[in-house]
Amino acid sequence: AQSVAQPEDQVNVAEGNPLTVKCTYSVSGNPYLFWYVQYPNRGLQFLLKYITGDNLVKGSYGFEAEFNKSQTSFHLKKPSALVSDSALYFCAVPTAGGYQKVTFGIGTKLQVIP
Amino acid sequence: DAGVTQSPTHLIKTRGQHVTLRCSPISGHKSVSWYQQVLGQGPQFIFQYYEKEERGRGNFPDRFSARQFPNYSSELNVNALLLGDSALYLCASSLAGLVTEAFFGQGTRLTVV
Repeated sequence: AQSVAQPEDQVNVAEGNPLTVKCTYSVSGNPYLFWYVQYPNRGLQFLLKYITGDNLVKGSYGFEAEFNKSQTSFHLKKPSALVSDSALYFCAVPTAGGYQKVTFGIGTKLQVIP
Repeated sequence: DAGVTQSPTHLIKTRGQHVTLRCSPISGHKSVSWYQQVLGQGPQFIFQYYEKEERGRGNFPDRFSARQFPNYSSELNVNALLLGDSALYLCASSLAGLVTEAFFGQGTRLTVV
């Protein structure tokens, strides 16, 4: 079964510092991977996706993610954190077969400290 | 352009009752998916509909059902509500049935008392 793991419940980072939110995956075949962000009392917003091609994927709001096949990781990164980046971040993988049955990680709460 | 809209935004029901949640996808999107998000967890897949047909079903009991209408809007129905059904129910729409990014509505917060 396709799955993702987010090993950190919470990540704290000072404003202006680089941030990393970790995700590892377990996928058969070529993985499709997503990152979503959820602000309090809101739905999820799409940040970026990896389908194939360059291992560094650029997304919305200055976020990027690095796909690493040997480490089966897809970590979310941003060079300089903003207080407004504080939110819940989800890594996700669609199931085999390609339809929109997406399995989400448990989420990582990012707290950016002014 | 309007995003994915869900109604109602909040709902309180009593155990044993029935509930219907509604979703209107982004114009042009033919795929609608439903997710349940319990506090402190990631969203759990319930259903996907594409072109009015069920294309995927998650590990939920038969008390959960859904349908998609000719205009691609969708309803999620839950019968015989349990306390454990209290959650944020999210609807997502996408252009196609195959893998692509989905756009989520703000959700319906269901509380079962």
